[in-house]
This record gives sequence, C-alpha cells and structure tokens, in this order.
Amino acid sequence: NAGVTQTPKFQVLKTGQSMTLQCAQDMNHEYMSWYRQDPGMGLRLIHYSVGAGITDQGEVPNGYNVSRSTTEDFPLRLLSAAPSQTSVYFCASSSPTAGAPWELFFGEGSRLTVL
Amino acid sequence: AQSVTQLGSHVSVSEGALVLLRCNYSSSVPPYLFWYVQYPNQGLQLLLKYTSAATLVKGINGFEAEFKKSETSFHLTKPSAHMSDAAEYFCAVSESNTGTASKLTFGTGTRLQVTL
Repeated sequence: NAGVTQTPKFQVLKTGQSMTLQCAQDMNHEYMSWYRQDPGMGLRLIHYSVGAGITDQGEVPNGYNVSRSTTEDFPLRLLSAAPSQTSVYFCASSSPTAGAPWELFFGEGSRLTVL
Repeated sequence: AQSVTQLGSHVSVSEGALVLLRCNYSSSVPPYLFWYVQYPNQGLQLLLKYTSAATLVKGINGFEAEFKKSETSFHLTKPSAHMSDAAEYFCAVSESNTGTASKLTFGTGTRLQVTL
C-alpha cells in the first residue's frame, strides 16, 4: 500500500532552471494539494485540486504551476527556480470518505535547494 | 479566514512529565481541528482530529486534546512523555462548511524535546 509517493526526494537546481516535482497517490482520493514547509513558518498551501481537471491557488502560488489530468497524479512545476523556493515540499491527498473528514495523507517530502 | 496560533516554538519536558502543547484557532464558522506529528525527515502523520462530535478527543500514542469553543483552543496533552514523543507537532484548522478538504491552515509548529 504505497499511499502518496513523491519524487524526487532531493533536488538541487540553479537559479532560472525549471523542474517538476511528481506526486502520485493510489488511494483514489479526489483531493490533492501541495504544501511547502519552511523553518518557523509551518506548512503553507501552494495549490490544490478537488478533482481531475480542477485546480486552484492556495496561499503562496506564485512561481508554481499545477495540472491534474488524472485522479492519481498531481505534479508541481517550477517554471524558473529562485532561491526563495528552497524548501521542503509536501504533497497530500484526502477524501471525504477516507479516514477523518478532511484528513490529509502526506508524502515523505521533496527537499529542493535552489542555488 | 481561518488561522492557527501555536504558542511556543520549542517545548522541553522530562521523560514521564506532562506534555502540554498549546493551540488557539480563529475561524468564522465551526471548525475542524487537527494535530499532526512530524518525525525527522518524514511527512506529517495525523495524531487526532475534532469534527464537532465529542469535545475531548483521544488520538494515537496516548495523546488527547480538548476543544474549548469559549477559549478558541485545542491544546494537545499527554500525561507522561516518552523519549519517542520527540518530534514536531502541528495544529491545523479547516472550516467545516467549505467543502475544500485540502485547504488546511497550519500553525508554525512546536518542537517537543524529551530529556532523561
């Protein structure tokens, strides 16, 4: 039972490079989201999706793009990386009928460093 | 808009002592409240949740939390700390009527240290 799988676990980029963080879940959850975690700031919502083909912005969306072509996958794209995007990124999924209402199931995180 | 305030970014207790981690929330509608735990280099794991049923909520690993509407609080407690409880703890709130299950708002976290 894989749950939420994120790749890569570690990545180093140079300023201006682009990359995609992958997220896949095998629980058939409708909802998926991306958070970034920075010291002293907790987790902040970047983008979220309530189903395939539907995405919306969270608290800190600038510099990131998402798409949701399937229920299982929710990739996060950095178009032109900046040092301010150095962070640990978490993907999460949830369903009204899985676990506690609105319980988020998290991946193990992707640590990104932008030089 | 919803928000969460966790008082104390670091808490240190002795093994066997009471653990008390504070969380206050702000929400314009009845909230759903959560405590998550994060062990080093891992994702977050749900400890317990409040979803408008019993105000005293019991979770995993002996933790519990009490929802107090009058104080807008949801403090996390454990009667006797264990070394394995050392981790970072996050309080989170979701507004119950939004239908947007992924939109949790997290506090800034409290790192719990347990000493011998």
